[in-house]
Amino acid sequence: AQSVTQPDIHITVSEGASLELRCNYSYGATPYLFWYVQSPGQGLQLLLKYFSGDTLVQGIKGFEAEFKRSQSSFNLRKPSVHWSDAAEYFCALFTSGTYKYIFGTGTRLKVLA
Amino acid sequence: NAGVTQTPKFRVLKTGQSMTLLCAQDMNHEYMYWYRQDPGMGLRLIHYSVGEGTTAKGEVPDGYNVSRLKKQNFLLGLESAAPSQTSVYFCASSLRPDNEQFFGPGTRLTVL
Repeated sequence: AQSVTQPDIHITVSEGASLELRCNYSYGATPYLFWYVQSPGQGLQLLLKYFSGDTLVQGIKGFEAEFKRSQSSFNLRKPSVHWSDAAEYFCALFTSGTYKYIFGTGTRLKVLA
Repeated sequence: NAGVTQTPKFRVLKTGQSMTLLCAQDMNHEYMYWYRQDPGMGLRLIHYSVGEGTTAKGEVPDGYNVSRLKKQNFLLGLESAAPSQTSVYFCASSLRPDNEQFFGPGTRLTVL
């Protein structure tokens, strides 16, 4: 069955520190993968997406993600976190078989000043 | 462009009452979606539409109905609200199913 797992419910980092949010997926075919960010009281906004090609994907706000097929992972990274990055982050998988998105349960990021 | 808008932003219902949530998009997108977001469960798809006049069930459709009479609007109805439907509801739209989804700001619904 297709699924998306975000193992970390909460992560706390200090401002200026590096960040890595984990995402693992289960899907038999080539995945279409996304990372979305949700600021408090807002809808979701796309950070980046992977369809094919280069496995290191650049997104908005200085984020990047690396697709690793061997590990079924699509981890989100940022070299230096800003206080405004505090939000909830969702990994999502598009399944071409069912034509639907599957969202992970989210990781809430707290940034310490 | 307003993008995706949702009406209302907040609503409190009593058990058994009915209501309709309205989603509107001005991007000429074919695909529209209704999700509910509950703590620790991420977003779960309620219903979706692949075009005007068509709707389909998602992961958690029970207790909800939808209609897409116009391309730009996607309505979510609760005929007899239950406390289990207390949630934040998000509407989204996309040009194609594998494209980025654009989300509305959400509707916070409380059923007492």
